[in-house]
Amino acid sequence: GIQVEQSPPDLILQEGANSTLRCNFSDSVNNLQWFHQNPWGQLINLFYIPSGTKQNGRLSATTVATERYSLLYISSSQTTDSGVYFCAVGYGGATNKLIFGTGTLLAVQP
Amino acid sequence: EPEVTQTPSHQVTQMGQEVILRCVPISNHLYFYWYRQILGQKVEFLVSFYNNEISEKSEIFDDQFSVERPDGSNFTLKIRSTKLEDSAMYFCASPGLAGVGDTQYFGPGTRLTVL
Repeated sequence: GIQVEQSPPDLILQEGANSTLRCNFSDSVNNLQWFHQNPWGQLINLFYIPSGTKQNGRLSATTVATERYSLLYISSSQTTDSGVYFCAVGYGGATNKLIFGTGTLLAVQP
Repeated sequence: EPEVTQTPSHQVTQMGQEVILRCVPISNHLYFYWYRQILGQKVEFLVSFYNNEISEKSEIFDDQFSVERPDGSNFTLKIRSTKLEDSAMYFCASPGLAGVGDTQYFGPGTRLTVL
């Protein structure tokens, strides 16, 4: 089956710093989403980005489907950005089930 | 953002007991999914359900699991005889109005603890 790997696994930042999170996948996919899992365990949609670049405030994402990777950029990080970031790829033909990556645990320190 | 709701938010049960987790997906949508996340691990696909039938299930979704649509808007995940390893967060998800290939929106989850 498809493998979805994220790097780095852990990241510690000072408030105000920028970061780039990476998601690699091993097969062609239907689409790709980025999530932020908050301390209460909720999965918050960040981006639906099967290809191209999108921006939302301090966050932006780029997916290069032909090269099987996606990047999530966080600029001017804040303590509220802390949590786990997951990418998930839509896979499996008509079902389009999401296969999640291993996650990046981000801690932003004041 | 479309809303998916789940109840209960927490469930504690004894090993061997049956539990029923409930989900209300995006209104009038025929497609929904169940996922689970064991503490500290990644989210895993369990089953997809379309128009009152299972469309795909993972190897995790064995005979102790079942999904139903008891009425027009509610979906349930039943675990017949819970095991300690069933302790996890269970999420349901529903695609947006553009259909199965659209963004999947997740409910807040049910945290199941099996003692």
